[in-house]
Amino acid sequence: NAGVMQNPRHLVRRRGQEARLRCSPMKGHSHVYWYRQLPEEGLKFMVYLQKENIIDESGMPKERFSAEFPKEGPSILRIQQVVRGDSAAYFCASSPSFGTGESGIQYFGAGTRLSVL
Amino acid sequence: AQTVTQSQPEMSVQEAETVTLSCTYDTSENNYYLFWYKQPPSRQMILVIRQEAYKQQNATENRFSVNFQKAAKSFSLKISDSQLGDTAMYFCAFMKAGGTSYGKLTFGQGTILTVHP
Repeated sequence: NAGVMQNPRHLVRRRGQEARLRCSPMKGHSHVYWYRQLPEEGLKFMVYLQKENIIDESGMPKERFSAEFPKEGPSILRIQQVVRGDSAAYFCASSPSFGTGESGIQYFGAGTRLSVL
Repeated sequence: AQTVTQSQPEMSVQEAETVTLSCTYDTSENNYYLFWYKQPPSRQMILVIRQEAYKQQNATENRFSVNFQKAAKSFSLKISDSQLGDTAMYFCAFMKAGGTSYGKLTFGQGTILTVHP
């Protein structure tokens, strides 16, 4: 059973470009979460999605950031018109449906390191 | 809002010895989960242990155990028989067990643990 897959592992963008980060959850998982980790800091929650629905986006910046988890395909975190302050590691996590005995447990991908030049 | 505090930025221990990492949290919730995650130099986030707040018994996973003091809002991690592979950043994390913020992990700042041979 493959784990949470994120790609690319490293992404370099120039200021003003768009960044697209992809996340495929573990097989059978229908809940996806995105977190951001700035250098030397802990992870900060951004958004929680289920298939075709945004459940909680309280951690998403109001502008330039969006996320989706379509019926088919991976979850996408999109950052438009990137700025240097967007440079960070972006982690995706997934979890199974509730009531499976693994309640609350999130399994993380290896992250995407975004560098904005 | 919940907060998680790890007051030890760095810790070190000799191989085969025992070390305890501290974590305190602040919440008005009664039902929640607490976690310890490990982030080795590869930056992959790995679940170490989970504690359900309604359970009085402290969780254990092989060499890892917790001391959960609900009234004091304290959740420390004890690593016994430390191994070189335990060298990593350790994050304490909190999650509400229901309601609108379910699924949102709140992380502490992390403790860098170095195991010396």
